[in-house]
Amino acid sequence: GAVVSQHPSRVICKSGTSVKIECRSLDFQATTMFWYRQFPKQSLMLMATSNEGSKATYEQGVEKDKFLINHASLTLSTLTVTSAHPEDSSFYICSARETTVSTEAFFGQGTRLTVV
Amino acid sequence: GESVGLHLPTLSVQEGDNSIINCAYSNSASDYFIWYKQESGKGPQFIIDIRSNMDKRQGQRVTVLLNKTVKHLSLQIAATQPGDSAVYFCAEKFGFQKLVFGTGTRLLVSP
Repeated sequence: GAVVSQHPSRVICKSGTSVKIECRSLDFQATTMFWYRQFPKQSLMLMATSNEGSKATYEQGVEKDKFLINHASLTLSTLTVTSAHPEDSSFYICSARETTVSTEAFFGQGTRLTVV
Repeated sequence: GESVGLHLPTLSVQEGDNSIINCAYSNSASDYFIWYKQESGKGPQFIIDIRSNMDKRQGQRVTVLLNKTVKHLSLQIAATQPGDSAVYFCAEKFGFQKLVFGTGTRLLVSP
């Protein structure tokens, strides 16, 4: 299957700082990328959907000014958590889909964010 | 509505047993379903999928059954191995809409 790479896999940041997470599709061009958040022992919750070259579509309750998503190329999307707080500590996972009509999406390995 | 779990149900089996993991999905219009395996600290890994025009699909050691009447999906793992220990999620999708994940089930396989 296709490979989606996330970086970093773990990050610790101080409260009030910003942190950027990268999601890359390594062997295909991702028209659409998705960002999820997963709290311990819970399911994946979709935060936003981004199509290359367009503004991201955020799910209800997700602050777009806090979670900045950029999908400037067909192989890279970034999620920036701005002014991070301890409650933003979570496991962030991206997935990528090759076209807007393909059904299968491939997941990255996730990023564990800890805000101290 | 979307499923959010406060804790994960756990299925404990012995190595070599067959495992059955169940999932109740929420949208009767969903036409595509996927099972994912998630190991600790990793992203979800695709296992098998099924479309709503089927009621059974088999893969290597895995079988997915779909019962649209009661909105129920199951994943059967034959001859379960310790390496199968993980959290398993079902996900549903309608058309080009977003994937909605179920609450997940932790599978513990004892040697």
